[in-house]
Amino acid sequence: KAGVTQTPRYLIKTRGQQVTLSCSPISGHRSVSWYQQTPGQGLQFLFEYFSETQRNKGNFPGRFSGRQFSNSRSEMNVSTLELGDSALYLCASSLVGNEGGEAFFGQGTRLTVV
Amino acid sequence: DQQVKQNSPSLSVQEGRISILNCDYTNSMFDYFLWYKKYPAEGPTFLISISSIKDKNEDGRFTVFLNKSAKHLSLHIVPSQPGDSAVYFCAASASGGYQKVTFGIGTKLQVIP
Repeated sequence: KAGVTQTPRYLIKTRGQQVTLSCSPISGHRSVSWYQQTPGQGLQFLFEYFSETQRNKGNFPGRFSGRQFSNSRSEMNVSTLELGDSALYLCASSLVGNEGGEAFFGQGTRLTVV
Repeated sequence: DQQVKQNSPSLSVQEGRISILNCDYTNSMFDYFLWYKKYPAEGPTFLISISSIKDKNEDGRFTVFLNKSAKHLSLHIVPSQPGDSAVYFCAASASGGYQKVTFGIGTKLQVIP
């Protein structure tokens, strides 16, 4: 079966712009989590969605937001982009999200802010 | 504040020998620990996990050890193979935290043929 699909794979944006990233989970998976990966910080948890509801949120400013649709696909949005938002954004899916963290990751979207 | 720490950014090991990757954590609420492996241009792949009620979990060449009193876990790979060369992330979660997982910054393992 198809894995987790993230689009686009690469993105270049200018400071102040906004961006929307998309994640299609594995079929049947209802939990979708988002992470930001930067070289010095590793993977940092952004938020988790289940059945269109945000269940958990990390320590990121309100410029970072997300949503989940009825088909479990998820989007995350970053508004008023800053240079420091340049990172690899990873999406992970799991069946119901209570597996303790075991999840399937997509390949990520590499966002560069210039 | 890094709640999950991987203090060795890189590790080189000869093929066939043992690779030991270490991880320390500070949050006492963590009760489930995971290791993920990541190749360049790919997303992390789940490798092995351990619950806090155990002190060892084994899966083929991979064994994870947990020392709760020291808040330390380690991943042993025996024997190491060139295909094991990747970045390894240690991660932890707390019951009820759903998929809110805290990751370390990763250790890059190079297995030399």
